[in-house]
Amino acid sequence: EAQVTQNPRYLITVTGKKLTVTCSQNMNHEYMSWYRQDPGLGLRQIYYSMNVEVTDKGDVPEGYKVSRKEKRNFPLILESPSPNQTSLYFCASSLDGLDYEQYFGPGTRLTVT
Amino acid sequence: KQEVTQIPAALSVPEGENLVLNCSFTDSAIYNLQWFRQDPGKGLTSLLLIQSSQREQTSGRLNASLDKSSGRSTLYIAASQPGDSATYLCAVKRADSWGKLQFGSGTQVVVTP
Repeated sequence: EAQVTQNPRYLITVTGKKLTVTCSQNMNHEYMSWYRQDPGLGLRQIYYSMNVEVTDKGDVPEGYKVSRKEKRNFPLILESPSPNQTSLYFCASSLDGLDYEQYFGPGTRLTVT
Repeated sequence: KQEVTQIPAALSVPEGENLVLNCSFTDSAIYNLQWFRQDPGKGLTSLLLIQSSQREQTSGRLNASLDKSSGRSTLYIAASQPGDSATYLCAVKRADSWGKLQFGSGTQVVVTP
């Protein structure tokens, strides 16, 4: 089944403790992206990747890191999480990031205390 | 700076009525526009993608139109059903930054039996 998977689905952590949210797709898509969704602010793009080893900032990249060493994986890294990073995070992928629709993962709900 | 607006934020319609959802954007220099559906606690599901050169796109009971010059897109859902209850979001891909996707805040729809 073609899908985007994220792990973990739920995470509660403390301020400053490094964490990684994994994202994987099995559709051989070139493009992958991370978003966060907050009440009243909607969905905002964090980082995206047009291909392996090619990443670029979205609209809210501060406090996040990404890497794209393999086509199928695009992990989101929070080196020192803070309470304002409490949010619902979505990973998405697309065939080429231009002309094709984006497929979204189920989301990761992160709480930073 | 591109701003994407969806009004109203919420609406309720009786089953069988046609749904009309609006999306406005301030910068007409878009590459394409995509409509999504989001169910509570779930990820986004792509409904339709319209390229900037297209005027409309259809899939089953769904029809989306695009008027780039006026900065508007409309999603029509014919003969609404209770299963259409969800939040509908539009997102524009900017022509000057292909990797970026900018979302509206969504319209929450309730279809009452």
